[in-house]
Amino acid sequence: GAGVSQSPSNKVTEKGKDVELRCDPISGHTALYWYRQSLGQGLEFLIYFQGNSAPDKSGLPSDRFSAERTGGSVSTLTIQRTQQEDSAVYLCASSAPRNRDTNYGYTFGSGTRLTVV
Amino acid sequence: RKEVEQDPGPFNVPEGATVAFNCTYSNSASQSFFWYRQDCRKEPKLLMSVYSSGNEDGRFTAQLNRASQYISLLIRDSKLSDSATYLCVVTPTSGTYKYIFGTGTRLKVLA
Repeated sequence: GAGVSQSPSNKVTEKGKDVELRCDPISGHTALYWYRQSLGQGLEFLIYFQGNSAPDKSGLPSDRFSAERTGGSVSTLTIQRTQQEDSAVYLCASSAPRNRDTNYGYTFGSGTRLTVV
Repeated sequence: RKEVEQDPGPFNVPEGATVAFNCTYSNSASQSFFWYRQDCRKEPKLLMSVYSSGNEDGRFTAQLNRASQYISLLIRDSKLSDSATYLCVVTPTSGTYKYIFGTGTRLKVLA
């Protein structure tokens, strides 16, 4: 598509429930990232996918968090047994393949605002 | 020490003013640098990349000082529409796509 698409845009869930957040990156972008941003805070890296390589999961805060990227395109971030501290905006971004001579930035989706009550 | 540090502001400036932000980074091996702009309750958007030789895009000028490990953003002739939070972004080392974001500097341009 023309941009990075995320759904849902807003999600309110009860503590203890599981949630799935979806990201559809820009066509042709091989790299996909998940970040989260809590109110008034900076962006916190969660996970990164690059083509068929093993994902970099180093930012996932606990084993309740997992993500998949099927067919090198759409990604789903799953949070199990949600807690109130999971409330944040979850941002997905994608980027084009990078080489030595290019310096691409990310293109972000508009995010999913998750509220755990 | 945080990997990327910014003055949170807010910087309150009148329309037409020139304003500059700095951002310091801790890893001397950092490779790529960017400035992003984030409006309230919106996603960050790429403003400009920062190159070693410095670069300019209209009213915006970005510079990199590797010796002192900081990047800067200069905005000339500020507009009301420039009001936003400006995020400094650094990639720690070559070969990684994991960008490190600063917490941002808030700018308010006043009429």
